[in-house]
Amino acid sequence: DVKVTQSSRYLVKRTGEKVFLECVQDMDHENMFWYRQDPGLGLRLIYFSYDVKMKEKGDIPEGYSVSREKKERFSLILESASTNQTSMYLCASCKMTGKSSGNTIYFGEGSWLTVV
Amino acid sequence: SQKIEQNSEALNIQEGKTATLTCNYTNYSPAYLQWYRQDPGRGPVFLLLIRENEKEKRKERLKVTFDTTLKQSLFHITASQPADSATYLCALDEASGYSTLTFGKGTMLLVSP
Repeated sequence: DVKVTQSSRYLVKRTGEKVFLECVQDMDHENMFWYRQDPGLGLRLIYFSYDVKMKEKGDIPEGYSVSREKKERFSLILESASTNQTSMYLCASCKMTGKSSGNTIYFGEGSWLTVV
Repeated sequence: SQKIEQNSEALNIQEGKTATLTCNYTNYSPAYLQWYRQDPGRGPVFLLLIRENEKEKRKERLKVTFDTTLKQSLFHITASQPADSATYLCALDEASGYSTLTFGKGTMLLVSP
């Protein structure tokens, strides 16, 4: 069974703290993604990666960075957390099959981050 | 500007009826359109994918249509059950090669016994 695991389900952090959200997938997928989901705004793409050490900005990268040192692991980093980063964060992965095929995206269960 | 629109109001239906959810888009040229189910507090789960050259796709009680002229997809659940109650998200894939989907905000479906 395919699995995307997010290490923390619920976190509470203080403003200004550095926050790491970790994600691991066991499907040998090339592509990995970080989304955030907010009421009324839906899912928005923060960053994605298509290979180890490769990263691309999504729609809302400001205030975030990412790290992909191993194929199975993709980390989201909030360098200095702010209250407007309180949200649900979703990690996802899929195979890289090129433009000729639509790919199923597999999501983790989400990490609820509250910044106080 | 680019927009993906799904009914923001919840859809309430009786068990056994067919639920129909709508996804309209503007200023996109998706090669694929996908539908996901999301339960409260959980991550989305893939349901169906339809290609731009396909009119209709079925999977068990689910049916998706894709009209690139109308820029619309319809998602149907036949013989609906209370267990079908969830939020349903449509997502567009413009075939960048990286599967960077753009999601609608979702429609909540409530199926009453």
